[in-house]
Amino acid sequence: ILNVEQSPQSLHVQEGDSTNFTCSFPSSNFYALHWYRWETAKSPEALFVMTLNGDEKKKGRISATLNTKEGYSYLYIKGSQPEDSATYLCAFIRNTGNQFYFGTGTSLTVIP
Amino acid sequence: DSGVTQTPKHLITATGQRVTLRCSPRSGDLSVYWYQQSLDQGLQFLIQYYNGEERAKGNILERFSAQQFPDLHSELNLSSLELGDSALYFCASSARLAGAPSYNEQFFGPGTRLTVL
Repeated sequence: ILNVEQSPQSLHVQEGDSTNFTCSFPSSNFYALHWYRWETAKSPEALFVMTLNGDEKKKGRISATLNTKEGYSYLYIKGSQPEDSATYLCAFIRNTGNQFYFGTGTSLTVIP
Repeated sequence: DSGVTQTPKHLITATGQRVTLRCSPRSGDLSVYWYQQSLDQGLQFLIQYYNGEERAKGNILERFSAQQFPDLHSELNLSSLELGDSALYFCASSARLAGAPSYNEQFFGPGTRLTVL
């Protein structure tokens, strides 16, 4: 069984706060890591696809970093807004078999 | 709207029955992925097709099968249904770049909610 862990499980922050969460994955056989944003009653929406150790990606106030040697990725949200409230999922793709392994997500609630 | 369509939206059926879920990918996308999300579990990858061929297999039960047709739409067949098969089934598609489909972001459909009574 391959474990992809996300922490924390849930997070409540005040509007304007910056926050970050972690996705941990096996450091061997890395192929790619995806981040998704999943709002309640909607479908997951792709945020980033990360492929190289040291990758840093940014989309507006959201950014992500990747460390494949130690097996983790961080997602940062700067100046959280209520519309950022969602579950943030990461998915690890191994270089053998091309399968996707999702974490259980971090549920973020931004309080106005 | 991601451009990925799934039908039906909801399906209620009885144990032992067989159902077919349908997915149409975004125009031009060659890869289709199927996922299951149960109440007590996260998003589970089931299977991936690329241009009609099975590319990767995840936690897909033997009672389940899928295929991708020449027009690139895909169907997920679930048979001998059990109560535990009740879940939200998502389809996703990704772009046609050659060589490494998993590098490309996926676009998810709205899902089919299956309830087995």
